[in-house]
Amino acid sequence: GAGVSQSPSNKVTEKGKDVELRCDPISGHTALYWYRQSLGQGLEFLIYFQGNSAPDKSGLPSDRFSAERTGGSVSTLTIQRTQQEDSAVYLCASSSPGDLQPQHFGDGTRLSIL
Amino acid sequence: AQSVTQPDIHITVSEGASLELRCNYSYGATPYLFWYVQSPGQGLQLLLKYFSGDTLVQGIKGFEAEFKRSQSSFNLRKPSVHWSDAAEYFCAVGAVSNTGKLIFGQGTTLQVKP
Repeated sequence: GAGVSQSPSNKVTEKGKDVELRCDPISGHTALYWYRQSLGQGLEFLIYFQGNSAPDKSGLPSDRFSAERTGGSVSTLTIQRTQQEDSAVYLCASSSPGDLQPQHFGDGTRLSIL
Repeated sequence: AQSVTQPDIHITVSEGASLELRCNYSYGATPYLFWYVQSPGQGLQLLLKYFSGDTLVQGIKGFEAEFKRSQSSFNLRKPSVHWSDAAEYFCAVGAVSNTGKLIFGQGTTLQVKP
């Protein structure tokens, strides 16, 4: 079946612009995660959605970052007034209902801020 | 503080040689442990996971890992490395009480010499 789909695969934008990154999880997966992978660093948790519960936003680095998940499926991560330090690969993952089901990752969006 | 440490940033082994990638964790709750592999330009693929029971777990692609509570370690091993194993490997820890959020290590890049 289809895996986690992320778009765009690459995004280059100027500092100060807003960007939207999209994640389409595996059908039936109620949990959705966003991570950031910066050069030479591991994955940094950003935000977690589980069903209709309030999202866990504890990993968002600043108020310029926000995310929403419409209809319990597709999610959009928005970065406002981008800065050069926002350049990274943004990875989305989804998992089935139930505790600690394996997370299935998309191929990521590589974001470059000029 | 919760953390995962992968002491080796980069490892080079010859094809056919054995491999061990180290992972140490610090986690207050009962840990659930994962190893993921990431090929260039792709997302993360789950290799194996440990939740409970037998401390030696088998994964895909001939990998195994051993959980040692006394050493807070979860090292990944493979008896004979193939050139296609060249990739970046991430150890991660999670807990039921943590909404499924994973904490990742910095990653180990594996290079395989012919």
